Amino acid sequence: SQQGEEDPQALSIQEGENATMNCSYKTSINNLQWYRQNSGRGLVHLILIRSNEREKHSGRLRVTLDTSKKSSSLLITASRAADTASYFCATDLNRDDKIIFGKGTRLHILP
Amino acid sequence: EPEVTQTPSHQVTQMGQEVILRCVPISNHLYFYWYRQILGQKVEFLVSFYNNEISEKSEIFDDQFSVERPDGSNFTLKIRSTKLEDSAMYFCASILTGGVTEAFFGQGTRLTVV
Repeated sequence: SQQGEEDPQALSIQEGENATMNCSYKTSINNLQWYRQNSGRGLVHLILIRSNEREKHSGRLRVTLDTSKKSSSLLITASRAADTASYFCATDLNRDDKIIFGKGTRLHILP
Repeated sequence: EPEVTQTPSHQVTQMGQEVILRCVPISNHLYFYWYRQILGQKVEFLVSFYNNEISEKSEIFDDQFSVERPDGSNFTLKIRSTKLEDSAMYFCASILTGGVTEAFFGQGTRLTVV
């Protein structure tokens, strides 16, 4: 069964604006990670937030985690054209070590 | 910076042929994974490998699939008799330890079955 679900599925914003993507999941997790994938390329790890953390920052990225709502958000501030990519949340469950990806949000930054 | 490398980057094969996709995980990592992504779709878990054996596999990973770590550095995915629906990007990943660590992914092998 699918663990992570991102929304929106696609997002277009103007360069300089902030982009917010959300992820919901179904079962309890150890961690939640966000990955970026440029078209046709590999997955690049962006940030990991542990289940006992609520917020984490890395450069222009801000991730929040609400375990009571089983949801996370990824905020990219001051977006740039190079941020155009698909963004995936990935969760790893308490009982095993594999990580499960959501369907992703396709982010398009308009010049 | 250490990275996971995959070869080839693109493989075209005829339906029914066997293919072997190769990965070199990060050298001190202990957990290894294969994922696949059909064009435009989500990244799907295939199999995890730890301590020289499969620790978990998905329903996609049927008898046509196998994995091996033949020499302590390479990690291979074999598809015995490819089908058209096996066409996808295949990603290898490695993790240092189980639990709270990020997974490092290779750039993927695009498999096209014709």
